[in-house]
Amino acid sequence: EADIYQTPRYLVIGTGKKITLECSQTMGHDKMYWYQQDPGMELHLIHYSYGVNSTEKGDLSSESTVSRIRTEHFPLTLESARPSHTSQYLCASSAAGRGEQYFGPGTRLTVT
Amino acid sequence: AQSVTQLGSHVSVSEGALVLLRCNYSSSVPPYLFWYVQYPNQGLQLLLKYTSAATLVKGINGFEAEFKKSETSFHLTKPSAHMSDAAEYFCAVSADQAGTALIFGKGTTLSVSS
Repeated sequence: EADIYQTPRYLVIGTGKKITLECSQTMGHDKMYWYQQDPGMELHLIHYSYGVNSTEKGDLSSESTVSRIRTEHFPLTLESARPSHTSQYLCASSAAGRGEQYFGPGTRLTVT
Repeated sequence: AQSVTQLGSHVSVSEGALVLLRCNYSSSVPPYLFWYVQYPNQGLQLLLKYTSAATLVKGINGFEAEFKKSETSFHLTKPSAHMSDAAEYFCAVSADQAGTALIFGKGTTLSVSS
């Protein structure tokens, strides 16, 4: 059983607010990822990290930013939330040399 | 470039019937393929993975998938559906085992009726 946690699980927030979505894993995985998922659509990679102090943008353009100061922690920040940011955000991690990724439960974000 | 196509956004079966969820992939290199399941309000759970060791892969909950290179397919099957199998299923491809991000299909919703 993978141990990867996301908080909050649900968030409703007004336009213009700054928010941080938390993601932590206890498996010691080097690689971590953030995906965005809309209903009926595939997951889209928005950020990834291959280790501490390493972050890259994914295939889907996103106004969010990420940081990786500790191996186990990979938070995602939106400086000014907009209704277009309404979506589900999934965090995942994988071990070096292993292709499978383990997912957290997700954060469902609604921006009003 | 890698891509995944899942045929059928919604599949309905009766309890006890065969489950068949279709996935075709496109990859410029030998692929690594995965099936994930997502229950409502949860993250994705790995069902099974193909990494070139064997073409028939067995996963959790009685699911299995067969890699067919000639057909570029990796269909997911289960001989007998259970009500608890109702969920969203995603096929994914990775270019390599080094951790390149996964490319997901759009998902197939499986409904199981009694």
